[in-house]
Amino acid sequence: SAVISQKPSRDICQRGTSLTIQCQVDSQVTMMFWYRQQPGQSLTLIATANQGSEATYESGFVIDKFPISRPNLTFSTLTVSNMSPEDSSIYLCSVEVNGRGYTFGSGTRLTVV
Amino acid sequence: AQSVTQLGSHVSVSEGALVLLRCNYSSSVPPYLFWYVQYPNQGLQLLLKYTTGATLVKGINGFEAEFKKSETSFHLTKPSAHMSDAAEYFCAVSEGGATNKLIFGTGTLLAVQP
Repeated sequence: SAVISQKPSRDICQRGTSLTIQCQVDSQVTMMFWYRQQPGQSLTLIATANQGSEATYESGFVIDKFPISRPNLTFSTLTVSNMSPEDSSIYLCSVEVNGRGYTFGSGTRLTVV
Repeated sequence: AQSVTQLGSHVSVSEGALVLLRCNYSSSVPPYLFWYVQYPNQGLQLLLKYTTGATLVKGINGFEAEFKKSETSFHLTKPSAHMSDAAEYFCAVSEGGATNKLIFGTGTLLAVQP
């Protein structure tokens, strides 16, 4: 399966600021998926990122709040903009390679104060 | 649209007892089904998956799950629980393929009592 390097692993940020999370995959993938896991809850899909086109956002998530870049087939970034304490969550990226199941990055634990 | 329902947000079993975690899905196309485990403060690990073929799927750590189309279920079982099995378990569904998103259930927290 693919190996995903995600960073930062954790951060504490001031409200009103933005944080950019990076995911690097060790193989080329068509789609990359970004998830949010709020404290004590399951994973919710934020958006799907395809190289060369705008990301597709799920209901309740908008590009202005969570802009995504996908400059090539191995890399993507998610920015959490104008943060508030409600954005405190774990953010994860994921890919699926060769039918072996979805692999997840180790996650970015974000705390907004 | 696809969805997953996990019955029981908390399940407690005794060490050595059968583990049964329930998952039902909804999908308009033949589903791909997954179980993931998340240990405290750790990432997600794939336990097992069903795509096509044999409906009884064996995974890591002695877990297995059976795809039952007639019941739209994919329950996770393990004959004998270990203390190390205590974790959160997530059932998930996709339409298959690398371009299709994975939708998660709400999770089941498994506690194993000595």
